[in-house]
Amino acid sequence: GAVVSQHPSRVICKSGTSVKIECRSLDFQATTMFWYRQFPKKSLMLMATSNEGSKATYEQGVEKDKFLINHASLTLSTLTVTSAHPEDSSFYICSASFRRMADIGEQYFGPGTRLTVT
Amino acid sequence: GQQLNQSPQSMFIQEGEDVSMNCTSSSIFNTWLWYKQEPGEGPVLLIALYKAGELTSNGRLTAQFGITRKDSFLNISASIPSDVGIYFCAGCYSGGGADGLTFGKGTHLIIQP
Repeated sequence: GAVVSQHPSRVICKSGTSVKIECRSLDFQATTMFWYRQFPKKSLMLMATSNEGSKATYEQGVEKDKFLINHASLTLSTLTVTSAHPEDSSFYICSASFRRMADIGEQYFGPGTRLTVT
Repeated sequence: GQQLNQSPQSMFIQEGEDVSMNCTSSSIFNTWLWYKQEPGEGPVLLIALYKAGELTSNGRLTAQFGITRKDSFLNISASIPSDVGIYFCAGCYSGGGADGLTFGKGTHLIIQP
């Protein structure tokens, strides 16, 4: 149980184009989904927190107009990197959580999406 | 954002040895999580800790939530080749489900032949 998928697993795009990444919780309804970014040999950095039907909350320094997040249902969140540039190349990982009881929850991560902007 | 201090950064051990790694924070966390990540994949949850002083095991893995709520350790006993990977600690101010996680920088575990 608690499986999270991401699509695509890898994407190469040209500078200036937009790329959409999907995150799905396959066997549970996620109350919250999160988007992280990871540079090679570095740790994961939280980009934004997304609740179904609400606007995403972005971390300081993350441009909300550049990284558009849509959380349309309890099983799907999308991250769109708009007008991508080479410095946006990174490993993007989503996670999803559900609450078993008040204030208790665990996050389960997707397999990640490797974005390369040429 | 804030990062946790995780050590050691890397470990070179021989198969069968025990492993210990830890994380410290200047802030109190209410949840500590330990993840393992292999190249090109997302992190996989190993152990979740919710109470100060809590000691939890998952097979050969044991983790503890420090009494001060500012630290946690992970032990792996009798290491095997498939333990190779990067281990991350993560802290959360809430129960871990509502807020994003703050990650340590990772401990790269390498098992020497």
